[in-house]
Amino acid sequence: DQQVKQNSPSLSVQEGRISILNCDYTNSMFDYFLWYKKYPAEGPTFLISISSIKDKNEDGRFTVFLNKSAKHLSLHIVPSQPGDSAVYFCAASARNYGQNFVFGPGTRLSVLP
Amino acid sequence: ETGVTQTPRHLVMGMTNKKSLKCEQHLGHNAMYWYKQSAKKPLELMFVYSLEERVENNSVPSRFSPECPNSSHLFLHLHTLQPEDSALYLCASSQAGLAGGPVGELFFGEGSRLTVL
Repeated sequence: DQQVKQNSPSLSVQEGRISILNCDYTNSMFDYFLWYKKYPAEGPTFLISISSIKDKNEDGRFTVFLNKSAKHLSLHIVPSQPGDSAVYFCAASARNYGQNFVFGPGTRLSVLP
Repeated sequence: ETGVTQTPRHLVMGMTNKKSLKCEQHLGHNAMYWYKQSAKKPLELMFVYSLEERVENNSVPSRFSPECPNSSHLFLHLHTLQPEDSALYLCASSQAGLAGGPVGELFFGEGSRLTVL
């Protein structure tokens, strides 16, 4: 049973518009969440994180929102650029319990020029 | 060099071969990880070493054997693999907290693409 779910395998967005990638989790002990971006033939690259004591974290064009009651987080990219086309992974951990990260299956984002 | 370096980037081996994947981190971290990425599946955690001790082994078959000689180096020894073991093998490092898990993000290498014939 997957503890971290990304129910959209793929997403296409027009350049300049907003991309919204979603992630749901089932383990209420998770207290730290990350988003990674992966290009083909490369390792995942860290994008942005959020602790469970916050509901929003922003870094440039990237914003992560956390809704603990819904066990849902989302990554917003605005404006989207063609270079953002990649696979995006959501990951979660119960950091205070010393647990390692659990990754979602990823969402492939295509930003169309 | 900086970051996490993996070699080789590509490896093709027969089912009877013995080979090794190597990972080196230059970030001063005290925990290192092996992950497996198969097509259309989430990243699967295989092994974790924290302070050079193996702290997690997620029911990985014995044909995969990790080795962590020091906090900067990690190996994955491969022996008698099956074609279904073909995948991208990713090494990562992080700083581990007192509770054992990572206190910050994982830093990944570029991966070793393994093909078993």
